[in-house]
Formats: sequence, C-alpha cells, structure tokens
Amino acid sequence: GQNIDQPTEMTATEGAIVQINCTYQTSGFNGLFWYQQHAGEAPTFLSYNVLDGLEEKGRFSSFLSRSKGYSYLLLKELQMKDSASYLCAVRVDYKLSFGAGTTVTVRA
Amino acid sequence: GAVVSQHPSWVICKSGTSVKIECRSLDFQATTMFWYRQFPKQSLMLMATSNEGSKATYEQGVEKDKFLINHASLTLSTLTVTSAHPEDSSFYICSARDHKGPNQPQHFGDGTRLSIL
Repeated sequence: GQNIDQPTEMTATEGAIVQINCTYQTSGFNGLFWYQQHAGEAPTFLSYNVLDGLEEKGRFSSFLSRSKGYSYLLLKELQMKDSASYLCAVRVDYKLSFGAGTTVTVRA
Repeated sequence: GAVVSQHPSWVICKSGTSVKIECRSLDFQATTMFWYRQFPKQSLMLMATSNEGSKATYEQGVEKDKFLINHASLTLSTLTVTSAHPEDSSFYICSARDHKGPNQPQHFGDGTRLSIL
C-alpha cells in the first residue's frame, strides 16, 4: 500500500506563515497534489508538483523533493478563511492516494 | 476552471433503499472518474475508478454488487448504493480528470452526504 504522512493539526496566527510537511513512500510516483478541504465540503485543488523544486501560486507555495519523498505546502499571510484541512495526495498511475490531512486553525 | 457537478448533495433515507448519485464534468470530457468515501475526520478513501465505456475498477474491500458504477458518457458517471444500511452512511465524493493530458489534476464534485436511518 501507499504510505503518506502529514501532521494532524497546526495552529497559527493571522498574518503569519505556516508550513505543512508531507512525506511519502509509494509504489510509484506521477505527481504530488495539495488540496484544501473546508469542513463538510469537497476538496479544492491548490497546487501540483511533478518535478523537484518550488511552485508558487499567490499566497500558496509547494515544494517537492522526489529523492527524499518529501513535500511541503507553505501558506503565507494567513487569513481566517485559511482555516481548513490540507490534504497531501500522491498520484500513482492515475490514482490519488491521500494523507489523513492536516487541520490548520488560524487565530486572530 | 474545471467544474464537476455532483448531486444530490444530501440524502436521508430508510435502510434497504437504493440511492443513486450522479457526477458530471461540466466543461471538460473525462474518460476517467473516481469515487471516494470519507468518514468523519478521516481522509478520502478511493472506492473505485470509473472508466467510460467499460467496467469500473474497484479497490480492495469494496463490494462491486453493492456499489454499482456506470460511466455511460464522457461527462457522466453514476454510483448506486444498493440496499443501503446505516453503516453505508458517509460522505461520497466524485472526481474527474480532464482527459486532455496525464498531468491534469483531479477536480472534485461538492460531495453527497448520505444518511441511512
């Protein structure tokens, strides 16, 4: 099976920066995705890495190191609306395997 | 961006009822759609991969006869939970991948919350 680990919870202050780490051990690799999921809602796509390095998209950036089986999602200038669960997912062939998600709580 | 429509969004029904959930890709064609189930405070678990024009591929432990999947066109897949029981109560989410290229992300529908009494 696939093994994808990320922290369960993180708390940060509005305006701060938070980094969510994800490590993976999978039987293959066709890309790593980050999704945001608010409670009771479906996930929304945030970012995608298939090659090593940093991908920047506004306040969100994602980094990948394939040799280390490691990725992180960086959230800058945190806003209250960023309070959500963040899911790391690895694509093997065309299937996505998800981590358990990291619940980020943003405090005023 | 890509839009996936899923309905109904909420179903409450009696034990033994069969429930049909539809998943549509609105602005792109999807040869492959995916069905997930998510229990409270847990991550998404892939149930099956729905392939247009052919049989679905089910993950280990998922009963094919209980969760019937039909993918009759490039924009529509359906999941039917047959003879649903309280333990089938969950959040069911579909996703679709634009068939234009292998690096396209999966886009998710809004999910269906199923409650079996």
